[in-house]
Amino acid sequence: QVQLVQSGAEVKKPGASVKVSCKASGYTFTGYYMHWVRQAPGQGLEWMGWINPNSGGTNYAQKFQGRVTMTRDTSISTAYMELSRLRSDDTAVYYCARDAEEWELQIILSYWGQGTLVTVSS
Amino acid sequence: SYELTQPPSVSVSPGQTARITCSGDALPKQYAYWYQQKPGQAPVLVIYKDSERPSGIPERFSGSSSGTTVTLTISGVQAEDEADYYCQSADSSGTLFGGGTKLTVL
Repeated sequence: QVQLVQSGAEVKKPGASVKVSCKASGYTFTGYYMHWVRQAPGQGLEWMGWINPNSGGTNYAQKFQGRVTMTRDTSISTAYMELSRLRSDDTAVYYCARDAEEWELQIILSYWGQGTLVTVSS
Repeated sequence: SYELTQPPSVSVSPGQTARITCSGDALPKQYAYWYQQKPGQAPVLVIYKDSERPSGIPERFSGSSSGTTVTLTISGVQAEDEADYYCQSADSSGTLFGGGTKLTVL
């Protein structure tokens, strides 16, 4: 069965960077686009971007361009999302989510990780 | 900038029908998707491509589209359906979500 297991909670100071991992199992990692979505406390969902695990190609939401980097390590079926120059309003739960169709970018988020809470506080 | 607009809250009694709307100018040209999120849990896809239901999602969940509005309908609402519901659709750079609707089962 498809599983996405994310790294544990992080506490960071303003200006620092955070790197969240998402380990995939139960399917061919390189065959499905991976997305990152965040949710601030009590707020809605916000899409951050995607990575093509096969090619390493990425597409970031305009809001995060210049601050976010999505990478992957195919040898361990793991995707990463790094966010730099953290601010207090980056405090959120960060989710990875797998697209629905193999080899196709559809942005249908059919499987989700459990979420990683990132707290930014001085 | 493009937005998807949902009502903040909807309330229904058990066994009734709940309808949650999502409005956006591009919806006539783009598919919509719906996610259910219960407190402390990750979202779950309940409707894709306007009206398709993933395997494992109960038949009481259905979706429809008309013009600039898409609707998630939950027939015979159960207590376990109390959750936040988010619509999603494509925009020029990727995708975006509506602000979410809290469904309360009275």
